[in-house]
Amino acid sequence: SQKIEQNSEALNIQEGKTATLTCNYTNYSPAYLQWYRQDPGRGPVFLLLIRENEKEKRKERLKVTFDTTLKQSLFHITASQPADSATYLCALVGINDYKLSFGAGTTVTVRA
Amino acid sequence: KAGVTQTPRYLIKTRGQQVTLSCSPISGHRSVSWYQQTPGQGLQFLFEYFSETQRNKGNFPGRFSGRQFSNSRSEMNVSTLELGDSALYLCASRTLARSETQYFGPGTRLLVL
Repeated sequence: SQKIEQNSEALNIQEGKTATLTCNYTNYSPAYLQWYRQDPGRGPVFLLLIRENEKEKRKERLKVTFDTTLKQSLFHITASQPADSATYLCALVGINDYKLSFGAGTTVTVRA
Repeated sequence: KAGVTQTPRYLIKTRGQQVTLSCSPISGHRSVSWYQQTPGQGLQFLFEYFSETQRNKGNFPGRFSGRQFSNSRSEMNVSTLELGDSALYLCASRTLARSETQYFGPGTRLLVL
């Protein structure tokens, strides 16, 4: 069966460091992969999209990589700030139906 | 442009009742998707509507249903509520059914007692 796993439920890091989150998937052929940020009590907010034929995408302090051989995406937050504290969700978009399937999320806490 | 709006924001029901949640997409967006989010199961896809037609459906029982109106507004209904239906119900809209970016609303928090 299809499975999307984000490697840890929680990640605590110090301000200024780089947070690295992992998203692994099995039995899936994604059209592309997305990362979202969710704050408590709010809906997810789209951050970045990376396609199957792209290796890396950047947006300000965010970087996403996509390795279709390993079936893995890495999400990096560089020079992290307390305002980056949130839950980060990876989502795969099915190549046939364009449905979004989400991982369980990783909660990042950045300590000042 | 106004974002996705959902009403009501909070709801308390008892087992066996039914509930209707409403979603107004961003102006110009014709696709609306619904998700259920719980601590145990995470974010799970319920269904997607485009131009008043259901395009995709997740693995939920028939008690969960939805519809979309000609102005793209959508409603979802849950009949015969169970305790396990307590969750945050999120609606998301996008321009077209295959558009890349979905925009989520704030959600409706449903508590079933």
